Amino acid sequence: GAGVSQSPSNKVTEKGKDVELRCDPISGHTALYWYRQSLGQGLEFLIYFQGNSAPDKSGLPSDRFSAERTGGSVSTLTIQRTQQEDSAVYLCASSFGGGIGKGANVLTFGAGSRLTVL
Amino acid sequence: AQSVTQLDSHVSVSEGTPVLLRCNYSSSYSPSLFWYVQHPNKGLQLLLKYTSAATLVKGINGFEAEFKKSETSFHLTKPSAHMSDAAEYFCVVPFSGGYNKLIFGAGTRLAVHP
Repeated sequence: GAGVSQSPSNKVTEKGKDVELRCDPISGHTALYWYRQSLGQGLEFLIYFQGNSAPDKSGLPSDRFSAERTGGSVSTLTIQRTQQEDSAVYLCASSFGGGIGKGANVLTFGAGSRLTVL
Repeated sequence: AQSVTQLDSHVSVSEGTPVLLRCNYSSSYSPSLFWYVQHPNKGLQLLLKYTSAATLVKGINGFEAEFKKSETSFHLTKPSAHMSDAAEYFCVVPFSGGYNKLIFGAGTRLAVHP
């Protein structure tokens, strides 16, 4: 697609329920990233995919969080047994490659999924 | 390890006056550096990118930033603020671990008053 698409844009859930957040990256982008933006916490890196594999899961806050990517395209972030502290905006980004440095590929971000846990 | 520090959490200016958003970086080498902007209820958008080709980088919407190695700074400026510039601005450095993971500063919220 023309941009990174995320769904749902807003999700309100009850504490203890599971939620799934979806990210549809730009077609052809091999790298995909999930970030979390919380009030007072700034932007936190969660996980990075290169193709379907996740070389870096270091930012996932607990084992209640998991993510997968299939077909080198769509990714799903799953939060099990949600807690109130999980309330945040979850941002997905993609880039053409995963390289860094002077030729680093620019990340394109989606509009985010706002999660509210009551 | 790479990091960035945004020196002001909030900046307020009048329309038509200059904008200065400050960022200092920490790195053992000359890194790439970015500024991203986030308008309310919208996704993050790249404003400009430094990759050592030139120390003064021009971005979208009249913004520019100057890389100063001696001061380890990458401040964002604009000569004349517009109401539409009101947003949150993030100074960003890529993680050095071999892939394009971004380390974000805490952000500076810019308010523009008539």
